[in-house]
Amino acid sequence: DADVTQTPRNRITKTGKRIMLECSQTKGHDRMYWYRQDPGLGLRLIYYSFDVKDINKGEISDGYSVSRQAQAKFSLSLESAIPNQTALYFCATSDSGQGFRDEQFFGPGTRLTVL
Amino acid sequence: AQSVTQLDSQVPVFEEAPVELRCNYSSSVSVYLFWYVQYPNQGLQLLLKYLSGSTLVKGINGFEAEFNKSQTSFHLRKPSVHISDTAEYFCAVRDSGNTPLVFGKGTRLSVIA
Repeated sequence: DADVTQTPRNRITKTGKRIMLECSQTKGHDRMYWYRQDPGLGLRLIYYSFDVKDINKGEISDGYSVSRQAQAKFSLSLESAIPNQTALYFCATSDSGQGFRDEQFFGPGTRLTVL
Repeated sequence: AQSVTQLDSQVPVFEEAPVELRCNYSSSVSVYLFWYVQYPNQGLQLLLKYLSGSTLVKGINGFEAEFNKSQTSFHLRKPSVHISDTAEYFCAVRDSGNTPLVFGKGTRLSVIA
């Protein structure tokens, strides 16, 4: 079983709809991240959480919100989806116990299309 | 804030030829550098990382990278590529243990038979 899972894997929705992307991990890591990937732009950080009570904005947080329901779960919401939020979304986790050594582990991604 | 520049967006190379994918980062007193690979329709996985010590770092699948502090570079190399190396490669940097990774825009490596 995958250590970092994302649901759904694919989603097509319409402009103005509310969408939630979910991420779960079984690695026991305390840190979780949401990135979006666009062709030619690489991965850009949306939000990150260093523990359940800690939420931080990333480079491109406008139009998104997150919820850290438990150490193992981190959800990303688009309150009112717009077409330029069409992208591949990745969740990642890492372990603060590793300090600067910590490697980020990625989920398989969610492909979101907003029509 | 840290930034990463991957100088080539696409690199085509023939099978069994050597390849170098270039990565430069913005200067900082201390940095920790990573290369990730994304195979088609998959998430990212770690190829190798530089944290300290030897400037030549060896990773999985025969890849290696060299940390050059004076040039602020961390170029990825492989002496002989295979078709299976076709993927997108991302360079990433952090400057402390309490900041997320900052990624470059990626280099798409295409290996031609």
